[in-house]
Amino acid sequence: LAKTTQPISMDSYEGQEVNITCSHNNIATNDYITWYQQFPSQGPRFIIQGYKTKVTNEVASLFIPADRKSSTLSLPRVSLSDTAVYYCLVGASSGGSYIPTFGRGTSLIVHP
Amino acid sequence: GAVVSQHPSWVICKSGTSVKIECRSLDFQATTMFWYRQFPKQSLMLMATSNEGSKATYEQGVEKDKFLINHASLTLSTLTVTSAHPEDSSFYICSAREGTSEPYEQYFGPGTRLTVT
Repeated sequence: LAKTTQPISMDSYEGQEVNITCSHNNIATNDYITWYQQFPSQGPRFIIQGYKTKVTNEVASLFIPADRKSSTLSLPRVSLSDTAVYYCLVGASSGGSYIPTFGRGTSLIVHP
Repeated sequence: GAVVSQHPSWVICKSGTSVKIECRSLDFQATTMFWYRQFPKQSLMLMATSNEGSKATYEQGVEKDKFLINHASLTLSTLTVTSAHPEDSSFYICSAREGTSEPYEQYFGPGTRLTVT
């Protein structure tokens, strides 16, 4: 099963771009990379998902290098409301079933 | 996006009683549902995986007789915490997966805060 490693915490300021990197050295060929955001006492919220190269949506970009052993979530111009925990998940194929396992996540604090 | 609901959003119960938490996929059929537990300032810990119509698969260390999971339909899964004790107090989150091939679409419920007194 692919494990993920992320920084435990990060600090930023409003208006800055934030990049959170996740390492997943044992990613399997069929695995996708998915990022979630979680606020206190709420369920995780899907941010973005990708397989390779770059994916962009209305809230974030996801950069995946060719070897796919890491990925970087990029949040443009963060605001105070982006203060949350961000989780990187890698599809863990086990007998064809995906078992979504969370790592420790990155606690992002955005300062005024 | 698809919506997953949980009921209740919070519950307080006395030690020794049982509590049932419902998880529903509101606008899609969930082939697989997952139950997580989250303690304060910790990550989500997967408790079990359930497929509609079959027995749940529990993660190592999770007591299946204490945490009863029923996935009776493609839109409903329930978690019953039997003979709850204060150490079972936690935030319980369910997740529902749509589809059977990657990339999986997985949606999370808002969570249920359980407090056992």
